[in-house]
Amino acid sequence: GENVEQHPSTLSVQEGDSAVIKCTYSDSASNYFPWYKQELGKGPQLIIDIRSNVGEKKDQRIAVTLNKTAKHFSLHITETQPEDSAVYFCAAITGNQFYFGTGTSLTVIP
Amino acid sequence: GAVVSQHPSWVICKSGTSVKIECRSLDFQATTMFWYRQFPKQSLMLMATSNEGSKATYEQGVEKDKFLINHASLTLSTLTVTSAHPEDSSFYICSAPHLGGYTFGSGTRLTVV
Repeated sequence: GENVEQHPSTLSVQEGDSAVIKCTYSDSASNYFPWYKQELGKGPQLIIDIRSNVGEKKDQRIAVTLNKTAKHFSLHITETQPEDSAVYFCAAITGNQFYFGTGTSLTVIP
Repeated sequence: GAVVSQHPSWVICKSGTSVKIECRSLDFQATTMFWYRQFPKQSLMLMATSNEGSKATYEQGVEKDKFLINHASLTLSTLTVTSAHPEDSSFYICSAPHLGGYTFGSGTRLTVV
């Protein structure tokens, strides 16, 4: 089955700096790669996603890149703000099979 | 956008009692609902997949008699934790596919005392 690895597990950045979280996957059949933000005590919220026919997608301060050959995708958050502090999960989807990364706890220091 | 409403958001129950968690799709029909369990500082772990009108599919190691799933309508799926024990304390989350993506409920914090 699919194996999704996510790094780093924790990340601290100064407010205004950029944050990058990376994920790798193993199943070349995976074709949908969402990123979720989870605040304490809440369910995951989709922040951005990318499908396998696209290499990059951007939404304001958030961007995702996908390298299908290398089987890795990354989340980029620019101009970080304290409210960006949360746990971020990547996921790789094959058909209706959902595989989560292990999560990254991001702390933005004011 | 699509919303999955999950209730309750938190519940405390005594050992041996049962607790029901509901997930409703508010503005779309959810023929499938995924149920996850999440331990502190860990990722989501898929427990089971429910499909409207048929039996749920459980992941390996998940006791189907303990975690009863019902998906009786296109907008409602329920998870009942039967004869709850302290080790069942966890964060439970549902998710439904919709228009090529997945919408998550807000989660239920279950504490068994």
